[in-house]
Amino acid sequence: GAGVSQSPRYKVAKRGQDVALRCDPISGHVSLFWYQQALGQGPEFLTYFQNEAQLDKSGLPSDRFFAERPEGSVSTLKIQRTQQEDSAVYLCASSLVGDGEQFFGPGTRLTVL
Amino acid sequence: RKEVEQDPGPFNVPEGATVAFNCTYSNSASQSFFWYRQDCRKEPKLLMSVYSSGNEDGRFTAQLNRASQYISLLIRDSKLSDSATYLCVVSTGRRALTFGSGTRLQVQP
Repeated sequence: GAGVSQSPRYKVAKRGQDVALRCDPISGHVSLFWYQQALGQGPEFLTYFQNEAQLDKSGLPSDRFFAERPEGSVSTLKIQRTQQEDSAVYLCASSLVGDGEQFFGPGTRLTVL
Repeated sequence: RKEVEQDPGPFNVPEGATVAFNCTYSNSASQSFFWYRQDCRKEPKLLMSVYSSGNEDGRFTAQLNRASQYISLLIRDSKLSDSATYLCVVSTGRRALTFGSGTRLQVQP
């Protein structure tokens, strides 16, 4: 069956560019999460949606980071004016219910030059 | 101080060995506990949930000590395919998962 998919899988951006990362959750999953994983570290929580509502954005590191899920399925994480410290793997996860098992996508590896 | 602390390793063990990983967490409000496995350049996958009574899944045994805020994972009869990074994960019920930095295991033939 189809799991969580993310695109692009790899993105190289010049410092100052805006990027948009897409996540397609498992069909029917209510909850969607974004995490950031720096090299050699565990994933760190960025934000959480229940359907189209963004219930927790406490992990977003700055106002350059913005996430949306307008129709309660596909989500986009946007990073404006990228900086070198934004280089990381961005992981999306979905779960059937809020506290259910989270299934992760393969991630988008962002490199900011 | 990180909320979830793990020994980064690497743990290099021969096939068939028993290996144990530990982690500690700082938030006493943590309610749910997990071990995830992450292969190189892959996404994390749930290995097992961890309960206060301890739980076992084949060669894997997980234990939780709430008083000491300590979680462990024991792997018996290690296989080459067990080579991966093992992530200790807690949740306060906010839905978000808090990950440790991971412990790298390399099982050698």
